[in-house]
Amino acid sequence: KAGVTQTPRYLIKTRGQQVTLSCSPISGHRSVSWYQQTPGQGLQFLFEYFSETQRNKGNFPGRFSGRQFSNSRSEMNVSTLELGDSALYLCASSSQQLSYEQYFGPGTRLTVT
Amino acid sequence: DAKTTQPNSMESNEEEPVHLPCNHSTISGTDYIHWYRQLPSQGPEYVIHGLTSNVNNRMASLAIAEDRKSSTLILHRATLRDAAVYYCILWRRGGATNKLIFGTGTLLAVQP
Repeated sequence: KAGVTQTPRYLIKTRGQQVTLSCSPISGHRSVSWYQQTPGQGLQFLFEYFSETQRNKGNFPGRFSGRQFSNSRSEMNVSTLELGDSALYLCASSSQQLSYEQYFGPGTRLTVT
Repeated sequence: DAKTTQPNSMESNEEEPVHLPCNHSTISGTDYIHWYRQLPSQGPEYVIHGLTSNVNNRMASLAIAEDRKSSTLILHRATLRDAAVYYCILWRRGGATNKLIFGTGTLLAVQP
Protein backbone atom coordinates (compact mmCIF):
# COMPACT_ATOMS: atom_id res chain seq x y z
CA LYS A 1 0.00 0.00 0.00
CA ALA A 2 1.43 3.39 -0.92
CA GLY A 3 2.39 5.67 1.96
CA VAL A 4 1.48 9.28 2.59
CA THR A 5 2.66 11.47 -0.26
CA GLN A 6 3.31 15.18 -0.12
CA THR A 7 3.89 17.53 -3.00
CA PRO A 8 5.98 19.37 -3.74
CA ARG A 9 8.92 18.06 -1.74
CA TYR A 10 10.83 21.33 -1.93
CA LEU A 11 9.66 24.85 -2.52
CA ILE A 12 11.26 28.28 -2.53
CA LYS A 13 9.02 31.31 -2.24
CA THR A 14 9.49 35.02 -1.71
CA ARG A 15 8.22 36.94 1.30
CA GLY A 16 4.67 38.15 0.72
CA GLN A 17 3.73 35.37 -1.69
CA GLN A 18 1.31 32.58 -0.91
CA VAL A 19 1.83 28.83 -1.15
CA THR A 20 -0.31 25.70 -1.32
CA LEU A 21 0.97 22.34 -0.16
CA SER A 22 -0.72 19.04 -0.91
CA CYS A 23 -1.03 15.80 1.03
CA SER A 24 -2.43 12.50 -0.21
CA PRO A 25 -3.15 10.14 2.69
CA ILE A 26 -2.88 6.39 2.63
CA SER A 27 -5.78 4.89 0.69
CA GLY A 28 -8.78 4.49 2.99
CA HIS A 29 -7.50 6.92 5.61
CA ARG A 30 -9.92 9.71 6.41
CA SER A 31 -8.02 11.63 9.07
CA VAL A 32 -5.29 14.07 8.04
CA SER A 33 -3.22 16.28 10.31
CA TRP A 34 -0.61 18.90 9.48
CA TYR A 35 2.50 19.84 11.47
CA GLN A 36 5.22 22.45 11.13
CA GLN A 37 8.78 21.55 12.08
CA THR A 38 11.46 24.17 12.66
CA PRO A 39 14.81 23.91 14.47
CA GLY A 40 13.69 26.47 17.05
CA GLN A 41 10.14 25.33 17.81
CA GLY A 42 10.30 21.65 16.94
CA LEU A 43 7.17 19.87 15.72
CA GLN A 44 4.02 21.93 16.16
CA PHE A 45 0.46 20.95 15.35
CA LEU A 46 -1.28 23.06 12.71
CA PHE A 47 -4.69 21.50 12.09
CA GLU A 48 -6.56 18.26 11.72
CA TYR A 49 -9.29 17.13 9.34
CA PHE A 50 -11.65 14.21 9.36
CA SER A 51 -14.20 13.61 6.61
CA GLU A 52 -13.72 17.13 5.19
CA THR A 53 -14.31 18.81 8.57
CA GLN A 54 -11.65 20.64 10.56
CA ARG A 55 -11.67 19.07 14.02
CA ASN A 56 -8.85 20.88 15.68
CA LYS A 57 -6.57 23.84 15.07
CA GLY A 58 -3.23 24.77 16.59
CA ASN A 59 -2.01 28.20 17.66
CA PHE A 60 -1.07 29.59 14.28
CA PRO A 61 -2.18 32.86 12.70
CA GLY A 62 -5.06 32.98 10.25
CA ARG A 63 -2.59 33.11 7.37
CA PHE A 64 -2.42 29.34 7.75
CA SER A 65 -5.47 27.53 6.44
CA GLY A 66 -6.35 24.14 5.16
CA ARG A 67 -9.03 21.99 3.69
CA GLN A 68 -9.82 18.39 2.97
CA PHE A 69 -11.53 17.04 -0.11
CA SER A 70 -14.04 14.22 -0.44
CA ASN A 71 -11.26 11.82 -1.49
CA SER A 72 -9.47 12.68 1.81
CA ARG A 73 -6.66 14.54 0.07
CA SER A 74 -5.77 17.68 1.96
CA GLU A 75 -4.18 20.99 1.15
CA MET A 76 -2.75 23.67 3.36
CA ASN A 77 -2.31 27.25 2.30
CA VAL A 78 -0.10 29.94 3.75
CA SER A 79 -0.76 33.48 2.60
CA THR A 80 1.52 36.51 2.88
CA LEU A 81 4.58 34.42 3.56
CA GLU A 82 7.07 35.55 6.19
CA LEU A 83 10.69 34.50 6.61
CA GLY A 84 9.71 32.64 9.77
CA ASP A 85 7.41 30.36 7.78
CA SER A 86 10.47 28.55 6.43
CA ALA A 87 10.05 25.05 7.76
CA LEU A 88 9.38 21.42 7.03
CA TYR A 89 5.62 20.87 6.73
CA LEU A 90 4.54 17.35 7.59
CA CYS A 91 1.26 15.65 6.94
CA ALA A 92 0.04 12.59 8.85
CA SER A 93 -2.88 10.31 8.10
CA SER A 94 -4.76 7.71 10.09
CA SER A 95 -7.56 5.34 9.33
CA GLN A 96 -9.96 6.26 12.04
CA GLN A 97 -11.41 9.27 13.74
CA LEU A 98 -9.38 8.37 16.82
CA SER A 99 -6.34 6.33 16.00
CA TYR A 100 -3.41 4.99 17.96
CA GLU A 101 -1.13 5.09 14.96
CA GLN A 102 -0.50 7.89 12.53
CA TYR A 103 1.52 7.69 9.33
CA PHE A 104 3.63 10.65 8.36
CA GLY A 105 4.68 11.73 4.91
CA PRO A 106 8.21 12.86 4.04
CA GLY A 107 7.26 16.51 4.30
CA THR A 108 7.53 19.60 2.13
CA ARG A 109 10.58 21.77 2.76
CA LEU A 110 9.50 25.41 2.33
CA THR A 111 12.10 28.13 2.14
CA VAL A 112 10.98 31.75 2.21
CA THR A 113 13.49 34.33 0.98
CA ASP B 1 -2.00 19.19 27.96
CA ALA B 2 0.13 16.79 29.97
CA LYS B 3 3.87 17.20 29.48
CA THR B 4 6.66 14.67 29.03
CA THR B 5 10.34 15.04 29.94
CA GLN B 6 13.10 13.18 28.10
CA PRO B 7 16.89 13.43 28.09
CA ASN B 8 18.17 15.54 25.21
CA SER B 9 20.51 12.87 23.93
CA MET B 10 21.76 9.34 24.54
CA GLU B 11 24.43 7.13 23.07
CA SER B 12 24.47 3.42 22.49
CA ASN B 13 26.69 0.82 20.91
CA GLU B 14 25.47 -1.29 18.04
CA GLU B 15 23.82 -4.58 19.02
CA GLU B 16 23.43 -3.51 22.64
CA PRO B 17 20.06 -2.81 24.32
CA VAL B 18 18.95 0.79 24.68
CA HIS B 19 16.62 2.11 27.37
CA LEU B 20 15.07 5.48 26.57
CA PRO B 21 13.35 7.03 29.60
CA CYS B 22 10.37 9.36 29.71
CA ASN B 23 8.81 11.12 32.70
CA HIS B 24 5.15 12.10 32.60
CA SER B 25 4.25 12.87 36.20
CA THR B 26 1.03 14.73 35.26
CA ILE B 27 -0.41 11.88 33.23
CA SER B 28 -4.15 11.34 33.60
CA GLY B 29 -6.04 8.08 33.59
CA THR B 30 -7.15 8.40 29.97
CA ASP B 31 -3.72 9.29 28.57
CA TYR B 32 -2.03 6.74 26.37
CA ILE B 33 1.76 6.75 26.14
CA HIS B 34 2.94 6.86 22.55
CA TRP B 35 6.43 6.70 21.11
CA TYR B 36 7.37 7.97 17.71
CA ARG B 37 10.79 8.31 16.15
CA GLN B 38 12.12 10.52 13.41
CA LEU B 39 15.01 9.30 11.30
CA PRO B 40 17.15 11.91 9.56
CA SER B 41 15.35 13.60 6.65
CA GLN B 42 12.12 11.66 7.24
CA GLY B 43 8.75 12.24 8.86
CA PRO B 44 8.08 10.75 12.29
CA GLU B 45 7.30 7.05 12.47
CA TYR B 46 5.05 5.31 15.00
CA VAL B 47 6.96 2.94 17.28
CA ILE B 48 4.67 1.70 20.04
CA HIS B 49 1.99 2.74 22.50
CA GLY B 50 0.54 1.55 25.79
CA LEU B 51 -1.86 2.46 28.56
CA THR B 52 -1.01 0.51 31.71
CA SER B 53 0.62 -2.79 30.84
CA ASN B 54 3.99 -3.39 29.25
CA VAL B 55 3.81 -3.82 25.49
CA ASN B 56 5.96 -5.54 22.89
CA ASN B 57 6.00 -5.31 19.12
CA ARG B 58 8.45 -6.07 16.36
CA MET B 59 10.22 -2.75 16.79
CA ALA B 60 10.50 -2.30 20.54
CA SER B 61 9.13 -2.87 24.03
CA LEU B 62 7.44 -0.34 26.26
CA ALA B 63 7.77 -0.66 30.00
CA ILE B 64 5.30 1.44 32.01
CA ALA B 65 5.80 2.16 35.69
CA GLU B 66 3.09 0.96 38.03
CA ASP B 67 2.08 4.55 38.91
CA ARG B 68 2.30 5.46 35.20
CA LYS B 69 4.39 8.53 35.95
CA SER B 70 7.24 7.24 33.82
CA SER B 71 7.91 4.82 30.99
CA THR B 72 10.87 3.36 29.14
CA LEU B 73 11.20 2.49 25.48
CA ILE B 74 13.47 -0.49 25.04
CA LEU B 75 15.28 -1.29 21.81
CA HIS B 76 16.59 -4.78 22.36
CA ARG B 77 19.51 -4.66 19.95
CA ALA B 78 20.33 -1.24 18.58
CA THR B 79 21.37 -0.99 14.96
CA LEU B 80 22.81 1.96 13.09
CA ARG B 81 19.38 2.42 11.50
CA ASP B 82 17.92 3.14 14.96
CA ALA B 83 19.78 6.45 15.16
CA ALA B 84 16.94 8.95 15.35
CA VAL B 85 15.09 11.39 17.56
CA TYR B 86 12.67 9.50 19.81
CA TYR B 87 9.55 11.28 21.02
CA CYS B 88 7.47 10.25 24.01
CA ILE B 89 3.94 11.64 23.67
CA LEU B 90 0.82 11.50 25.79
CA TRP B 91 -2.38 11.09 23.78
CA ARG B 92 -5.76 11.51 25.42
CA ARG B 93 -8.32 9.31 23.74
CA GLY B 94 -11.16 11.23 25.33
CA GLY B 95 -9.88 14.40 23.69
CA ALA B 96 -11.63 13.41 20.45
CA THR B 97 -8.62 14.30 18.38
CA ASN B 98 -5.61 12.66 16.77
CA LYS B 99 -3.48 15.70 17.62
CA LEU B 100 0.01 14.80 18.85
CA ILE B 101 1.98 17.17 21.06
CA PHE B 102 5.67 16.60 20.41
CA GLY B 103 8.31 17.59 22.95
CA THR B 104 11.98 17.97 22.15
CA GLY B 105 12.63 14.23 22.16
CA THR B 106 15.82 12.26 22.73
CA LEU B 107 18.46 12.17 20.03
CA LEU B 108 19.85 8.62 20.00
CA ALA B 109 23.31 8.11 18.54
CA VAL B 110 24.37 4.53 17.78
CA GLN B 111 28.08 3.81 17.56
CA PRO B 112 29.37 0.89 15.46
